[in-house]
Amino acid sequence: DAGVIQSPRHEVTEMGQEVTLRCKPISGHDYLFWYRQTMMRGLELLIYFNNNVPIDDSGMPEDRFSAKMPNASFSTLKIQPSEPRDSAVYFCASSLLAREAFFGQGTRLTVV
Amino acid sequence: KQEVTQIPAALSVPEGENLVLNCSFTDSAIYNLQWFRQDPGKGLTSLLLIQSSQREQTSGRLNASLDKSSGRSTLYIAASQPGDSATYLCAVRPNTNAGKSTFGDGTTLTVKP
Repeated sequence: DAGVIQSPRHEVTEMGQEVTLRCKPISGHDYLFWYRQTMMRGLELLIYFNNNVPIDDSGMPEDRFSAKMPNASFSTLKIQPSEPRDSAVYFCASSLLAREAFFGQGTRLTVV
Repeated sequence: KQEVTQIPAALSVPEGENLVLNCSFTDSAIYNLQWFRQDPGKGLTSLLLIQSSQREQTSGRLNASLDKSSGRSTLYIAASQPGDSATYLCAVRPNTNAGKSTFGDGTTLTVKP
């Protein structure tokens, strides 16, 4: 397996624009996680899915953030409208049965 | 609320030295604990996973231990090499709401040649 695949790797956008981050989990994994990493706050869990169903979205900072998982092999994290304080590295991770988690390479988002 | 602390925040050692990284957590009701490595500008690479019923796990020069009762885990690195230089993070997964892992802030290790 190629591991968790995220796209794009880098995204630069202007304030107010919509941003969509994409993730393909490891095949067969039933948990999918979205994290955000910043120097100030470290690694924060935004939302996680189990069997494509959102289980806990308490880490989603505002209504501007939304996540979907339409099927077992694809998830998106959308920010609309984006703001400069959303600049961070966003990671997607997946695991099987709440065991070992595997991370993607991340998307570095810069909002100017 | 689970809190995970990693001390020290940074560590510098000469090549060849054995070293220990620490991870402490406040709530012992955990499902597992996972150690990761992160290189600058990269994602997290899983190193070792310890289930709550286990005391330790080993992989090559790495050995991770878990003491749930005291809320502590250690990552032992034997015969350190410059290639071990990275940030090491621990993550604790709870018994309930099993997807909601809590991460420490990491220890940044530098191994000098």
